[in-house]
Amino acid sequence: AQSVTQLDSHVSVSEGTPVLLRCNYSSSYSPSLFWYVQHPNKGLQLLLKYTSAATLVKGINGFEAEFKKSETSFHLTKPSAHMSDAAEYFCVVSDGAGAGSYQLTFGKGTKLSVIP
Amino acid sequence: GAGVSQSPSNKVTEKGKDVELRCDPISGHTALYWYRQSLGQGLEFLIYFQGNSAPDKSGLPSDRFSAERTGGSVSTLTIQRTQQEDSAVYLCASSLGTGGGYNYGYTFGSGTRLTVV
Repeated sequence: AQSVTQLDSHVSVSEGTPVLLRCNYSSSYSPSLFWYVQHPNKGLQLLLKYTSAATLVKGINGFEAEFKKSETSFHLTKPSAHMSDAAEYFCVVSDGAGAGSYQLTFGKGTKLSVIP
Repeated sequence: GAGVSQSPSNKVTEKGKDVELRCDPISGHTALYWYRQSLGQGLEFLIYFQGNSAPDKSGLPSDRFSAERTGGSVSTLTIQRTQQEDSAVYLCASSLGTGGGYNYGYTFGSGTRLTVV
């Protein structure tokens, strides 16, 4: 069984300051982990993914995330927020093996607001 | 095509009517998925296709929901006798596959926003 907890439903930062969106997961196997972003009235866009290679994963638009097995965390960070980063972000887990490995489990999302 | 295409983008229907939602995956993607995004509920898995067969239909919320995929490509999600609680954004995704425990990742379409009045 797999699950995802996004610790903050809403995060607000000033433009130019760092972004931290927190995610904890549980998985029965070696998980694949993803962050997706959804801008208003748009589809889900993949930001980055972890699939048992390097634990520090770099994604698009300057985002990165670090897989920490001991903490079961996969927090998303960005050094400097831009106005265009305002969106909803989803942390997603997929069991790395077994019959359920195709199924994604989504967190409930974190809405990021960027203040000018 | 270049991305996952879903149609219609918006659908308003009367309670009790049937609706069909279409998904055209990325060419060559053998796996296709339907998810539902409801306000306050997050995203929930509905059904998964590998080729034309659906090994997992466990997420379909009731027998009013069905889906098919033909030619290993286009998929249709049908909701019969729609109810107001069916109102949601229905998202389709496709991927190369998930073999060997490695997840290829998914490309999502923009979704169909269904409103049942």
